[in-house]
Amino acid sequence: NAGVTQTPKFRILKIGQSMTLQCTQDMNHNYMYWYRQDPGMGLKLIYYSVGAGITDKGEVPNGYNVSRSTTEDFPLRLELAAPSQTSVYFCASSYLLRGGFLMTNYGYTFGSGTRLTVV
Amino acid sequence: TQLLEQSPQFLSIQEGENLTVYCNSSSVFSSLQWYRQEPGEGPVLLVTVVTGGEVKKLKRLTFQFGDARKDSSLHITAAQPGDTGLYLCAGGKPNAGGTSYGKLTFGQGTILTVHP
Repeated sequence: NAGVTQTPKFRILKIGQSMTLQCTQDMNHNYMYWYRQDPGMGLKLIYYSVGAGITDKGEVPNGYNVSRSTTEDFPLRLELAAPSQTSVYFCASSYLLRGGFLMTNYGYTFGSGTRLTVV
Repeated sequence: TQLLEQSPQFLSIQEGENLTVYCNSSSVFSSLQWYRQEPGEGPVLLVTVVTGGEVKKLKRLTFQFGDARKDSSLHITAAQPGDTGLYLCAGGKPNAGGTSYGKLTFGQGTILTVHP
């Protein structure tokens, strides 16, 4: 059981280049997320998806795009890379307890991350 | 915007000592989770607490959710070098109206170093 798989592990981009960070999960989770992690800043939500064909912006979406054509895949696209996008990117998936007034997130499964440097 | 303040930011202790990490907010959360992250890896879920006042134990780790569901603590007894890592708390928003979609708010993290 692979869980959440991210590729590549490392990447160096020049300013203005574009790239796609790949994310695949095999747990049949409907909910998937992209976060970026900067030193001392915790994790910030970039985009999320509640199912195939449904995506929405998180806290820091500028400069990024996503798509969700299948339950398994949730790629993150960087267009016109900028130095401010130098970060470690994590993809995660989760399940939620359904029903009733409250839907509770019982925890994420994270990928191992992509360390991106823009020079 | 909901914020989670974690303290301390850094903790350096000797093997065998006890420690507590705190996670505080002015907002109410439907759940509170703790993750541990090692260098070059993604965070790994340690525990989820969902009931105010709830206490969960995981071997030498004790997790508590505040009665008002605004704060949490992680206590480690007799720390070992293998406990070294970044500890993150994360809160889930109440889902009134179905708008939270499982999104989490993360604290800044606590870097724990346990020296042999």
